[in-house]
Amino acid sequence: KAGVTQTPRYLIKTRGQQVTLSCSPISGHRSVSWYQQTPGQGLQFLFEYFSETQRNKGNFPGRFSGRQFSNSRSEMNVSTLELGDSALYLCASSLASGGRVETQYFGPGTRLLVL
Amino acid sequence: GESVGLHLPTLSVQEGDNSIINCAYSNSASDYFIWYKQESGKGPQFIIDIRSNMDKRQGQRVTVLLNKTVKHLSLQIAATQPGDSAVYFCAEFGGSGYSTLTFGKGTMLLVSP
Repeated sequence: KAGVTQTPRYLIKTRGQQVTLSCSPISGHRSVSWYQQTPGQGLQFLFEYFSETQRNKGNFPGRFSGRQFSNSRSEMNVSTLELGDSALYLCASSLASGGRVETQYFGPGTRLLVL
Repeated sequence: GESVGLHLPTLSVQEGDNSIINCAYSNSASDYFIWYKQESGKGPQFIIDIRSNMDKRQGQRVTVLLNKTVKHLSLQIAATQPGDSAVYFCAEFGGSGYSTLTFGKGTMLLVSP
């Protein structure tokens, strides 16, 4: 099975712009979670989607949003970019069926640099 | 707030040694734990997991131990190899429900040949 894929792998944006990142989960996985990784804060949870519904949201401002499509692919959007948004954005997928927590498998990430 | 933390930020070992990476967690409701390995420029890679109804689980060259009494998790790597050099994270599920992972800060493992 193909792993989790993320596009693009690298992005450079300027302050005030917006960005959309994409994630394709492992085939059959219906849950997609997004994380932000920075040297100072480590890995922090952004949000999780299951069957096109956001089930959980981390402590991030409303500039961070996401969605999931019927094929389980997910996108996240960051509007009005700030310098502090520079980070590695990671997507993870899991089966997450029947209410039992399942292992999350990560993609390679999208490296975002805000200038 | 509740969090997962690591005792040692950097661990240096010689090739062939056994490595032990530790992790403390504070959420007593956590019921599932995962260890990830992250190499430079890559996403976290699943190593091994353990549920709270177990104390020990073994994989290939790796063992995870869970001590719920003191809320402590450890990852043991046998016969450490240079390819094991990476940052290791423990992560926990619990409390907020569904698939929300809380990660520790990570430990850098450096293996010298």
